Amino acid sequence: DGGITQSPKYLFRKEGQNVTLSCEQNLNHDAMYWYRQDPGQGLRLIYYSQIVNDFQKGDIAEGYSVSREKKESFPLTVTSAQKNPTAFYLCASSIVGLAGNTGELFFGEGSRLTVL
Amino acid sequence: DAKTTQPPSMDCAEGRAANLPCNHSTISGNEYVYWYRQIHSQGPQYIIHGLKNNETNEMASLIITEDRKSSTLILPHATLRDTAVYYCIARGYDNYGQNFVFGPGTRLSVLP
Repeated sequence: DGGITQSPKYLFRKEGQNVTLSCEQNLNHDAMYWYRQDPGQGLRLIYYSQIVNDFQKGDIAEGYSVSREKKESFPLTVTSAQKNPTAFYLCASSIVGLAGNTGELFFGEGSRLTVL
Repeated sequence: DAKTTQPPSMDCAEGRAANLPCNHSTISGNEYVYWYRQIHSQGPQYIIHGLKNNETNEMASLIITEDRKSSTLILPHATLRDTAVYYCIARGYDNYGQNFVFGPGTRLSVLP
């Protein structure tokens, strides 16, 4: 079945360590996104990518980095510069129309990162 | 994109219709209304979207007022599995996906 796979589902890290969250999709979507969610809050956009080898900062990009070397993959690295990294991270994807507009977002199941 | 406001929480009896309101009084003519829901510790799930006509699919119905300043998501026969946070989003179709703004939403509790 087509969908978005995020891994790992749970991750623990020590302060000062970088960690990379994986996001893979087989929906043939051009656009991919990373969101962060804190308890009881909505989602905040970290980074997004409309096309391979190109990505843009979202609202809270500081302390995060991404790459988009393949259409199917959009990994997120949480660096030691991120001051409060404990959160639920969600990856999403969408189609991109001929005019550059995008359809609805499809989400993965999320990765929960805890910094000890 | 237009800001939306939703009640923070609602209860609904199992088997009854759940009517979730959303206000988007500043919505512009080219902005669609989208609804998503998020079951605890899972990714949000797309439910439905519409521009000005009422829409229905296998999950829900979307009723948009004639002036488009508010809408209601209807789950016709709520089950316990419909307990989730429901997000209402107003977004221009010409915009990129980064303009999906997920606020705190409405926490719907379906009670047995």
